[in-house]
Amino acid sequence: KQEVTQIPAALSVPEGENLVLNCSFTDSAIYNLQWFRQDPGKGLTSLLLIQSSQREQTSGRLNASLDKSSGRSTLYIAASQPGDSATYLCAVRDNYGQNFVFGPGTRLSVLP
Amino acid sequence: EAGVAQSPRYKIIEKRQSVAFWCNPISGHATLYWYQQILGQGPKLLIQFQNNGVVDDSQLPKDRFSAERLKGVDSTLKIQPAKLEDSAVYLCASSLGGWTGGSYEQYFGPGTRLTVT
Repeated sequence: KQEVTQIPAALSVPEGENLVLNCSFTDSAIYNLQWFRQDPGKGLTSLLLIQSSQREQTSGRLNASLDKSSGRSTLYIAASQPGDSATYLCAVRDNYGQNFVFGPGTRLSVLP
Repeated sequence: EAGVAQSPRYKIIEKRQSVAFWCNPISGHATLYWYQQILGQGPKLLIQFQNNGVVDDSQLPKDRFSAERLKGVDSTLKIQPAKLEDSAVYLCASSLGGWTGGSYEQYFGPGTRLTVT
């Protein structure tokens, strides 16, 4: 059974810092991995999707990497801004395309 | 392009009552998902539809939860009777692809926050 963990559970940084969020999964037979952002009281917004054959994806100040063999993904946020404050979740889909498992999220606060 | 729509946004009921949630996915999206998100946790998949067929409902508590996707478009999720532990946000998502291929990238609605007292 796939299990997804995220470290740290919460993170508080001053504005302008570069930061890394971590996601680990137990079964490396994944189809893809997706990073989401969730603002309080809102649904999830997709940030980046990495297919199993890819090593990384970039969008603006965000860069996500994937190391399937070690069961890890990282989300790098450059030059953080207060507007980046939210909960960041990763989710993995298995090779059969059915099971989509989320991690518990990392709650990020960027202080002005 | 319109996003995933859900209603109601908030619902408060007493235990043992019934409740229903509605979801309208992005037009043309074959796959629809219902998730339960308990406070402080990541979403948990309850049921996945491809068109109007169920792909995965292994984590749906079938003694009290039911879902349908008539005509392969809108979907409803029902709880009857509700328990205190059903208090959560219920999220609906859709994706273009499914078993026959296409993109699995999921797009989420705003969710319905259910409080059971």
